[in-house]
Amino acid sequence: GENVEQHPSTLSVQEGDSAVIKCTYSDSASNYFPWYKQELGKRPQLIIDIRSNVGEKKDQRIAVTLNKTAKHFSLHITETQPEDSAVYFCAASIPIFNKFYFGSGTKLNVKP
Amino acid sequence: DGGITQSPKYLFRKEGQNVTLSCEQNLNHDAMYWYRQDPGQGLRLIYYSQIVNDFQKGDIAEGYSVSREKKESFPLTVTSAQKNPTAFYLCASSQDRVGNQPQHFGDGTRLSIL
Repeated sequence: GENVEQHPSTLSVQEGDSAVIKCTYSDSASNYFPWYKQELGKRPQLIIDIRSNVGEKKDQRIAVTLNKTAKHFSLHITETQPEDSAVYFCAASIPIFNKFYFGSGTKLNVKP
Repeated sequence: DGGITQSPKYLFRKEGQNVTLSCEQNLNHDAMYWYRQDPGQGLRLIYYSQIVNDFQKGDIAEGYSVSREKKESFPLTVTSAQKNPTAFYLCASSQDRVGNQPQHFGDGTRLSIL
């Protein structure tokens, strides 16, 4: 099956700096890659996603890049704010299985 | 998302007891999922269902059971065979059956052993 690895497990940045979280996947059949933000004790919420026919997608301060050849995708957050502090999860989906494989999460701490 | 309701928010299980976690969605989504989340960990798939009256085991199905008698409902039973049930349980749904649409999550149920 698919294996998604996520790095780093914790990330601490100063407010206003950029943050980058990286994920790799093993199965080239994966074609959909969502990113979720989870605040403590709350539900994961979709923040951005990308499909395999696109190399980059941006939504205001958040962007995701996908390298299908290398099988990795990354989340980029610019001009970080304290409210960006949360755990971020990447995921990959293989269409024929309709299963989502999640990374282990990155705890982002934005220091004011 | 207001479209997925999990209940109860907190649940306590006595040894040897089966407990059932409720998950209801009004999004008209075909696919539904149950995940377990342990502290500081990612989401692990317990069961998923792509259509009414059909479901598949995920990666950690032992000690759990589900049913999908209605499109909007996907209850999870934690049986006494699950020896370490303490965790945060998340239900999710997705619009399509092929994994090309994002999952929407409920608020979760926190299960503890008495």
